[in-house]
Amino acid sequence: NFMLTQPHSVSESPGKTVTISCTGSSGSITSNYVHWYQQRPGSAPSTVIYEDNQRPSGVPDRFSGSIDNSSNSASLIISGLKTEDEADYYCQSYDSSNWVFGGGTKLTVL
Amino acid sequence: EVQLVESGGGLVKPGGSLRLSCAASGFTFSSYTMNWVRQAPGKGLEWVSSISSGSSYIDYADSLKGRFTISRDNARDSLYLQMSSLRGEDTAVYYCARSLYNSRGIDFWGQGALVTVSS
Repeated sequence: NFMLTQPHSVSESPGKTVTISCTGSSGSITSNYVHWYQQRPGSAPSTVIYEDNQRPSGVPDRFSGSIDNSSNSASLIISGLKTEDEADYYCQSYDSSNWVFGGGTKLTVL
Repeated sequence: EVQLVESGGGLVKPGGSLRLSCAASGFTFSSYTMNWVRQAPGKGLEWVSSISSGSSYIDYADSLKGRFTISRDNARDSLYLQMSSLRGEDTAVYYCARSLYNSRGIDFWGQGALVTVSS
């Protein structure tokens, strides 16, 4: 079964840039789009990046997404970190009729 | 403004059944694939099921096939999830979510409905 692996946690200081990785277990990460969701404590998820690198309206351009074929991974990059960015982040893709979520990464901004 | 409002959550005994509803507004419901995604307490997100705009294509997570049934009523702008033979591990917040128009991802999420399976 296809899986997406994320680091359990990352931390960075306000104003800095952080990268959260999402690595596919097999095949090519480019076979299907990767999407990213933010979930603040006590809230429902919201979409911050869709279709690898597209940003929904209302999401700041500090959020960006990329794909790296060589490492079979996707990345969520957040620049100019703010304390409000502290949240859990999930990547998601699709494989063989199943939607697959990564395990989530807890971002701490300290 | 897109709104997705879940209802029908609550406490149910193991082996019992429950039906979740999701009322959609602010968009043309009949044009979009819809989904259910759940999150167990303190855990990550887990896809449950998807249903295409006209109900012709339905899929379920392998672990749930046979116990859960997704459906929709486009005339009522509503999505449903019928859950049966419930187990403790089905305890979770269940989110109604709208699919992106052209890919298997989500653009809007509801606030969620808590389902607790316990005796």
